[in-house]
Amino acid sequence: LAKTTQPISMDSYEGQEVNITCSHNNIATNDYITWYQQFPSQGPRFIIQGYKTKVTNEVASLFIPADRKSSTLSLPRVSLSDTAVYYCLVGDQLSGNTPLVFGKGTRLSVIA
Amino acid sequence: GAGVSQTPSNKVTEKGKYVELRCDPISGHTALYWYRQSLGQGPEFLIYFQGTGAADDSGLPNDRFFAVRPEGSVSTLKIQRTERGDSAMYLCASSLTGDRPPFFGQGTRLTVV
Repeated sequence: LAKTTQPISMDSYEGQEVNITCSHNNIATNDYITWYQQFPSQGPRFIIQGYKTKVTNEVASLFIPADRKSSTLSLPRVSLSDTAVYYCLVGDQLSGNTPLVFGKGTRLSVIA
Repeated sequence: GAGVSQTPSNKVTEKGKYVELRCDPISGHTALYWYRQSLGQGPEFLIYFQGTGAADDSGLPNDRFFAVRPEGSVSTLKIQRTERGDSAMYLCASSLTGDRPPFFGQGTRLTVV
């Protein structure tokens, strides 16, 4: 399974755009990149998933360069309620036989 | 139900006792996952069901841990002879099929005293 590396923590002010970059140098051809958000004492919540280039939904954007060795989660205009841990995961979603493996995530603190 | 439901939300048990944790997945979801999360750590994979069968149980830490999903819906995680080190948040997740990102429940916080 491809291992991911992401910053342990980040701080941001309200209203700013936050970009969290994840490295996954050993990503395999069938691997997708998935991001989850987790608040204290709650289960992780799916944010976005992508394979290449750019994916956007109502919550975030995911940028994936051509070599796919990294990805960047972009949160536009964060608010205090975006304070959470964000996990980057890489796994073979095509086969459907490989469960997602979580790392330690990035703890984002949004400051007023 | 609308989401993945886990019961109980909290469980306190004495060392050496047996516990069962229940997971009700989203209706129609064939894939079901159990994870365990300790404070300050990311969720740790335990076991993955596709339908009634365990497709991957490589994350179960030892033979005190066992999980079943007899009818392909509700799943029960069973822990025998609990130890203080088993204290953690136990998370269940389900997805429509194994190739979709799973949705997580709120977890069961297990405390072994």
